Amino acid sequence: DGGITQSPKYLFRKEGQNVTLSCEQNLNHDAMYWYRQDPGQGLRLIYYSQIVNDFQKGDIAEGYSVSREKKESFPLTVTSAQKNPTAFYLCASSFRRGGGNQPQHFGDGTRLSIL
Amino acid sequence: DQQVKQNSPSLSVQEGRISILNCDYTNSMFDYFLWYKKYPAEGPTFLISISSIKDKNEDGRFTVFLNKSAKHLSLHIVPSQPGDSAVYFCAASASGGTSYGKLTFGQGTILTVHP
Repeated sequence: DGGITQSPKYLFRKEGQNVTLSCEQNLNHDAMYWYRQDPGQGLRLIYYSQIVNDFQKGDIAEGYSVSREKKESFPLTVTSAQKNPTAFYLCASSFRRGGGNQPQHFGDGTRLSIL
Repeated sequence: DQQVKQNSPSLSVQEGRISILNCDYTNSMFDYFLWYKKYPAEGPTFLISISSIKDKNEDGRFTVFLNKSAKHLSLHIVPSQPGDSAVYFCAASASGGTSYGKLTFGQGTILTVHP
C-alpha cells in the first residue's frame, strides 16, 4: 500500500540532545512538508521541500533542520536550540502540479517528549 | 497573525442531523481550500477541497461552500454519523509564487456526533 511512514510513533529524549524524526513516502510525491501540532492549536509549518536537494523554511523553522537527498525521504532534526520541542510532529507529501493546488497527505505522526 | 480562523472550538450534533463547520480567512491570495479530519494520535485525513473558481463542491455526505466576498467557507455533513466525531481542520493555500503548495491551517473544531 502506498503511504507515508513516520517513525518512531513515540520518542523520548533528554534536554540538550538533538533528535531526528524519520519520514518516508512511496506515493511518488514531489513535495514534502513538516508540521508541528500543539494542544488546542492548528498545524504550523516547519519546513517544506518541493524537489530533491531543495527546501524552504516554514513559519516556525528556528531550532529545526531538514535534508532532502532522496525523493522518498525528508528527515527532520530537532536541535537543542529548539526552546519547546515537546509536540506532535506530522509529515505530509503532495504532487507538485496544478499551481500547488494539490491535497497533502499525512503520516500518523511522531510524538516527541523531552525529559 | 491568524490567516485562517475556526472560531468554534467545538460543535455537538445529534446523529442524523446536519453538522456545519465554519472557517474564515483573511488572505485574499488564497485560492484553494481544503478540509481535513483528524482522530487523536493520527495524522489528518483529506476530506474535500474547493478551488476559488467554484462556490460549492460536493462529495457524498460532505459539501463545502465558499463565499469569496465574505472570505468564508463552510463544511456541511449530512446526515451526521457517530463515526464523524473528530477534529476538523480547514486549510488554505495560494497558488504560485513563494507560497507554492504551502498550506495554512485553522485551529480546528472538535465535532461530537451523539447517537
